[in-house]
Amino acid sequence: DQQVKQNSPSLSVQEGRISILNCDYTNSMFDYFLWYKKYPAEGPTFLISISSIKDKNEDGRFTVFLNKSAKHLSLHIVPSQPGDSAVYFCAASARVNTGNQFYFGTGTSLTVIP
Amino acid sequence: DVKVTQSSRYLVKRTGEKVFLECVQDMDHENMFWYRQDPGLGLRLIYFSYDVKMKEKGDIPEGYSVSREKKERFSLILESASTNQTSMYLCASSSTSGRYMGTEAFFGQGTRLTVV
Repeated sequence: DQQVKQNSPSLSVQEGRISILNCDYTNSMFDYFLWYKKYPAEGPTFLISISSIKDKNEDGRFTVFLNKSAKHLSLHIVPSQPGDSAVYFCAASARVNTGNQFYFGTGTSLTVIP
Repeated sequence: DVKVTQSSRYLVKRTGEKVFLECVQDMDHENMFWYRQDPGLGLRLIYFSYDVKMKEKGDIPEGYSVSREKKERFSLILESASTNQTSMYLCASSSTSGRYMGTEAFFGQGTRLTVV
């Protein structure tokens, strides 16, 4: 069963506006939540993360919000730029045995329209 | 900079062939992972490894095996390639200790495998 879910397969936003990507999870034992950006034919690149003990983390145009009671996180991109057009994966990290494992959502394809 | 390198960007193999996908990381990471990415299905974990010679099945291990003889290298093996294994394969590594534990997985550039 999918432990990390992204229910919106795609999103289109005008350049300069806010993009909001959403993610839900089921496991309350996750330690960290991460967002990755992926261009076609390339590996995912890390964007921003948040610890489970925080509710907000900001890095430039990117802000991640965590609502633990709702088991929901979101990524805000302000202002959106055409170069932000990519697939965004939400991920969660948990301790497993002696290491950690990452669980990924199915991705949201963001298109920023110039 | 952390570097995770996959041996091939594009690969075309025939049905029934044994296929080896190689991955090398240079950050002395303990954890290494193999995922496949398919449209609408996201990244699905095939196998992972916490240490040398150690391996654990992920969500979709059928038809695959792995080898980790050295800490920096994690190989994915398709025992007998089939057309439903046509996919993008992604290798990743992460630290299992210290302040960065669990905070980030570093990915290779991916291998687009086509089985014909």
